[in-house]
Amino acid sequence: EPEVTQTPSHQVTQMGQEVILRCVPISNHLYFYWYRQILGQKVEFLVSFYNNEISEKSEIFDDQFSVERPDGSNFTLKIRSTKLEDSAMYFCASSGGLRRTNYGYTFGSGTRLTVV
Amino acid sequence: GIQVEQSPPDLILQEGANSTLRCNFSDSVNNLQWFHQNPWGQLINLFYIPSGTKQNGRLSATTVATERYSLLYISSSQTTDSGVYFCAVEYVSYNTDKLIFGTGTRLQVFP
Repeated sequence: EPEVTQTPSHQVTQMGQEVILRCVPISNHLYFYWYRQILGQKVEFLVSFYNNEISEKSEIFDDQFSVERPDGSNFTLKIRSTKLEDSAMYFCASSGGLRRTNYGYTFGSGTRLTVV
Repeated sequence: GIQVEQSPPDLILQEGANSTLRCNFSDSVNNLQWFHQNPWGQLINLFYIPSGTKQNGRLSATTVATERYSLLYISSSQTTDSGVYFCAVEYVSYNTDKLIFGTGTRLQVFP
């Protein structure tokens, strides 16, 4: 079964540093997403991306965040100046298109970001 | 926005017991998924179920979209079933779809 791949699995960074989280979505999917889960809480939507631009972003996705699809396979989330409260598990997801296929959304294994 | 609530919040079972997890949502949705988050934090897709009933081994799910709820059944539970179970509903807007997650049910299965 096709997978969404995320790297790194765990990243520790100092407050104020920039981090880039990487994802390789399923190859024939068109829609890409980032979600965040603070420890012990529910999974929250951050941003959706289609046709090389942001489709929708949540209130969490402020100016410190950006996303990019630099080539045909990678999808990245950048946090410019990390804060302690950015510590969370970040999930990348992809889907085949609007009004989904039978498989819905596929999530990666996540990147656990720890800001110290 | 859509509210997604799950019950119970916590569930403790002995191995071999059966359980039912519930997901209520506040508005019409396009689709619904159930996930199992394992102790390593990974989200494992269990079911993509807009309506009706699906079964996969010891797990089955039923969604009644007209009444805005879904149920996840776990039969003959095993210690490996432990973790957090999330339902997530697909919210459709004019230019994108996204998943809205529920609050989760934390399941602990003891031998």
